[in-house]
Amino acid sequence: QPVLTQSSSASASLGSSVKLICTLSSGHSNFIIAWHQQQPGKAPRYLMKVEGSGSYNKGSGVPDRFSGSSSGADRYLTISNVQSEDEADYYCETWDSNTHVFGSGTKVTVL
Amino acid sequence: QITLKESGPTLVKPTQTLTLTCTFSGFSLTTTGVSVGWIRQPPGKALEWVALIYWDDDRYYTPSLKSRLTISKDTSRNQVVLTMTNMDPVDTATYYCVYRLNGYGVRNWGQGNLVTVSS
Repeated sequence: QPVLTQSSSASASLGSSVKLICTLSSGHSNFIIAWHQQQPGKAPRYLMKVEGSGSYNKGSGVPDRFSGSSSGADRYLTISNVQSEDEADYYCETWDSNTHVFGSGTKVTVL
Repeated sequence: QITLKESGPTLVKPTQTLTLTCTFSGFSLTTTGVSVGWIRQPPGKALEWVALIYWDDDRYYTPSLKSRLTISKDTSRNQVVLTMTNMDPVDTATYYCVYRLNGYGVRNWGQGNLVTVSS
């Protein structure tokens, strides 16, 4: 069954870019993942799905500064022109026919 | 517009059974590829899948909780009900109802219902 690995934290200065990584376990490098954002004290929000090909599909209302990409077993979420409201926890999610899992989350701090 | 709203107790005693109801709108749980589920988040911790029910009545339960869980749906009332038996303080968490679409993962989240397990 798939396992997702995320780094625990990342930081970015206001107006800069940050690239978050979510790594799929061995044997699952072609899996689709989804990214979710959880701002402090709020429910999570779907951002996008990212496929192994690197194509991504964003949810309604997700700002253009959020984008996705892929390389091998790694799935990325890039936030360009980071804003203060981007300070949040970011989780990746994947699944197969028998399993549904989340990564442990990456806390993004805006400096 | 898809909305999901959780309802249920905010406080349960150890060993009691928790019943949570998700009332949703904006989609039908009879549509192919659609599922509704529950995800929980203990205070300060990560998200954890609990259970999922599919349009075709298939069910998923997270293995560590499977023996304690039942998920059911009432498509005429647009509701999904989760029961969790033998509650323990470690089950204290915010429980989120979610809309999931095959190929996309979780697409929409409810606001969450914080359940505290304490005597």
